[in-house]
Amino acid sequence: DIVLTQSPDSLAVSLGERATITCKSSQSVLYSPNYKNHLAWYQQKPGQPPRLLISWASTRESGVPDRFSGSGSGTDFTLTISSLQAEDVAVYYCQQYYTTSWTFGQGTKVEIK
Amino acid sequence: QVQLQESGPGLGKPSETLLLTCTVSGGSISEFHWSWMRLPAGEGLDWIGRIYRNGNTNYNPDPSLKGRVTLSVDTSRNQLSLKLNSLTAADTGIYYCARVSPSETVDLWGQGTRVVVSS
Repeated sequence: DIVLTQSPDSLAVSLGERATITCKSSQSVLYSPNYKNHLAWYQQKPGQPPRLLISWASTRESGVPDRFSGSGSGTDFTLTISSLQAEDVAVYYCQQYYTTSWTFGQGTKVEIK
Repeated sequence: QVQLQESGPGLGKPSETLLLTCTVSGGSISEFHWSWMRLPAGEGLDWIGRIYRNGNTNYNPDPSLKGRVTLSVDTSRNQLSLKLNSLTAADTGIYYCARVSPSETVDLWGQGTRVVVSS
């Protein structure tokens, strides 16, 4: 199984400041035939189901604010919130869909400092 | 607009079997692949398994779930089902059904149903 390790487990950021979450995969999720990274990022707010933010490591879903961005390739990925807003308080998960046995990172809790 | 709604007993006893359903409204269940995830209490998301349009399935091979899960689809009722047997307290959490997008991500989630396993 592919293991995804996120860091940090939690972080507190001031409003308007940058938040950065990393996700490291135990093996590459770059699929050679399409040269795409099969990695997604989800946001889960308290009491709500997760929401897909980013697919293919860097493609923002429709309706996702542009302060959210994803980057990385192979085994190392980053989710960046460029200017943290109060509504961004949530747990963020990375997920790989390179294999048919999906796995998620353990989650990163983002709070306001 | 497609919506998903999970339902279940809420409470299960150790060693017993849990049956959850997910009703799909606003679209045909036959058009997509579907998946189940759970959020164990105090932990992160777990993928449980996937059921394809053609009825084929694949399940999380993790020892915590292996051999205990059965997914099925009732196209006449537009419903998904999850059966989880040999319950333990570790199965306590929120269970979500979800739609698998053409790109293999999860683009639609139900609100989730809470399950507590306790004697």
